[in-house]
Amino acid sequence: EAGVTQSPTHLIKTRGQQATLRCSPISGHTSVYWYQQALGLGLQFLLWYDEGEERNRGNFPPRFSGRQFPNYSSELNVNALELEDSALYLCASSLASGAGGMSYEQYFGPGTRLTVT
Amino acid sequence: ELKVEQNPLFLSMQEGKNYTIYCNYSTTSDRLYWYRQDPGKSLESLFVLLSNGAVKQEGRLMASLDTKARLSTLHITAAVHDLSATYFCAVVGSGGSNYKLTFGKGTLLTVNP
Repeated sequence: EAGVTQSPTHLIKTRGQQATLRCSPISGHTSVYWYQQALGLGLQFLLWYDEGEERNRGNFPPRFSGRQFPNYSSELNVNALELEDSALYLCASSLASGAGGMSYEQYFGPGTRLTVT
Repeated sequence: ELKVEQNPLFLSMQEGKNYTIYCNYSTTSDRLYWYRQDPGKSLESLFVLLSNGAVKQEGRLMASLDTKARLSTLHITAAVHDLSATYFCAVVGSGGSNYKLTFGKGTLLTVNP
């Protein structure tokens, strides 16, 4: 069974540009999560999508946004890139997780390394 | 807000020695995970701990969970060089926060010959 896939592996952008990162979940998983791992800041929750809707977001500015498509794949967009956006972005997927209800294990993809110059 | 503290953050040990990494968390949690991360790579799931007193072992690594103390430990027995990596614990929030993982800062383990 294929795991979570992410593309691209590496992305180099200039400050002020936009970046688009993509994630395909494990087949059967409807929840997709995005995490940022920036140097010195550790791993931080960014966004959660389920059934095509944004369910919750972490403490990040609105220029971090995304969407989930009908096939449950997801896209993370970062607008007006800043140098501190340089990080490893990890996508994870799980079976449907309802806030307050059952939570399921999240499976992580290989990540996209975003470098902003 | 759920907070997760790991210690130590850096651990340099010799092959053959034993050591323990500690993970404390601040509020009631649904479950706790341990992950391994090699440089530039993603997270590899090591253990999922679901209940008080849970103990899991895989090779030279053993993890345990004490939900009353809000403490998990990752014990390394007779370390070998291949265990060199960064280890993270992550805790799932309870109730309305059970959708996200809150991570500790990680423990960078270096095993020297």
